[in-house]
Amino acid sequence: EVQMVESGGGLVQPGGSLRLSCAASGFTLSSHTMNWVRQVPGKGLEWLSYISSSSIKYYADSVKGRFTISRDDAKNSLFLQMNSLRDEDTAVYYCARGWLDFDYWGQGTLVTVSS
Amino acid sequence: DIVMTQTPLSSPVTLGQPASISCRSSQSLVHSDGNTYLSWLQQRPGQPPRLLIYQISNRFSGVPDRFSGSGAGTDFTLKISRVEAEDVGVYYCMLPTQFPHVGVTFGPGTKVDIK
Repeated sequence: EVQMVESGGGLVQPGGSLRLSCAASGFTLSSHTMNWVRQVPGKGLEWLSYISSSSIKYYADSVKGRFTISRDDAKNSLFLQMNSLRDEDTAVYYCARGWLDFDYWGQGTLVTVSS
Repeated sequence: DIVMTQTPLSSPVTLGQPASISCRSSQSLVHSDGNTYLSWLQQRPGQPPRLLIYQISNRFSGVPDRFSGSGAGTDFTLKISRVEAEDVGVYYCMLPTQFPHVGVTFGPGTKVDIK
């Protein structure tokens, strides 16, 4: 069974950093394109970044230069390093598998940026 | 950038009655490989998004056949033939983009609830 579990969310002050993790099971993460998507509570979905199976990376303009996507094939895990966090980065962060369609999603982890 | 619009934004439906959601894009959605990768996601209250329909009209594994997708070019539709209580939630159309930037665009979402 395909499963993805995010972790690492929490409360952080503006300007701070946080590293999110997405632990995958039931499939080999490195064989798939993986994404990070966020959702402000009560609002819509925003794509943030992807890493392809060949490690090509793309970012949305809103996070380019501040967020870094990576993966650890040995741990079958995906990461999102978030630096210079802003109030508007407060959201639930999901990892999602795929590119042309997102066939599996994790449960999400809440990041709150507040002083 | 491509802009996706959905109508209606809210759809109160009587149980057992049909529902229809429209997704329109500001540009044609044909990928460089000739396919159109418009997909539909369902997000039940308190849950992560879930893939319903991919490539316009293909139901994902486990999706009931009361859900159907159609459309071409810039206009797409998700139909629920007979709404059930478990269909309550927000529905998003989604499109991967290549130009001018690689990324993913989501529609704003349509909330379906029971009258």
